[in-house]
Amino acid sequence: AQKVTQAQTEISVVEKEDVTLDCVYETRDTTYYLFWYKQPPSGELVFLIRRNSFDEQNEISGRYSWNFQKSTSSFNFTITASQVVDSAVYFCALSEALGRRSGGYQKVTFGTGTKLQVIP
Amino acid sequence: KAGVTQTPRYLIKTRGQQVTLSCSPISGHRSVSWYQQTPGQGLQFLFEYFSETQRNKGNFPGRFSGRQFSNSRSEMNVSTLELGDSALYLCASSFGQPQETQYFGPGTRLLVL
Repeated sequence: AQKVTQAQTEISVVEKEDVTLDCVYETRDTTYYLFWYKQPPSGELVFLIRRNSFDEQNEISGRYSWNFQKSTSSFNFTITASQVVDSAVYFCALSEALGRRSGGYQKVTFGTGTKLQVIP
Repeated sequence: KAGVTQTPRYLIKTRGQQVTLSCSPISGHRSVSWYQQTPGQGLQFLFEYFSETQRNKGNFPGRFSGRQFSNSRSEMNVSTLELGDSALYLCASSFGQPQETQYFGPGTRLLVL
């Protein structure tokens, strides 16, 4: 069974500090996909990044960076020089294929989220 | 390209009533998934529809049902509302394959009194 663990429930940092959000996943599949979403107070989940299980390259996008390590089943997310606008709940998610014989469709499991508060 | 839309955005109902929520996916997306989000339980998967067929279902009672139309728009219905059904209901659309990203709508906030 697939599982996503975000052990950090809430994190508070002072503006301009760096912060890393942890995500650990469990899956039996060799092919899977990992995602990060941001949920601001308005409620809508905003897609941030997708990674497939064959691509372990780290990625940097502006102040955001992601560290994917299959050896530790982790997909961590770092915000550099945090800003107040980064305050939100961040979700990590895992997508696997079901029903491969019928073409495969996705089963997505979300972590419980990490609430990040950036204090000015 | 228009995003995922959900109507209504806010809803207040009383116990015992029923409610129907609507979700219009991104154009071209054939998969619509529904999630319930509560402070205590996080994001919980309700069900997924693809080409008018439910192909995946979470662990919710039969009071929760849904359907999808030929234009991929989806509706979710909750009958005999309970206080515990108060939540943010989110729908997400995608092309439906495992590697595809789900894009979320703004959600419907349901309050059951």
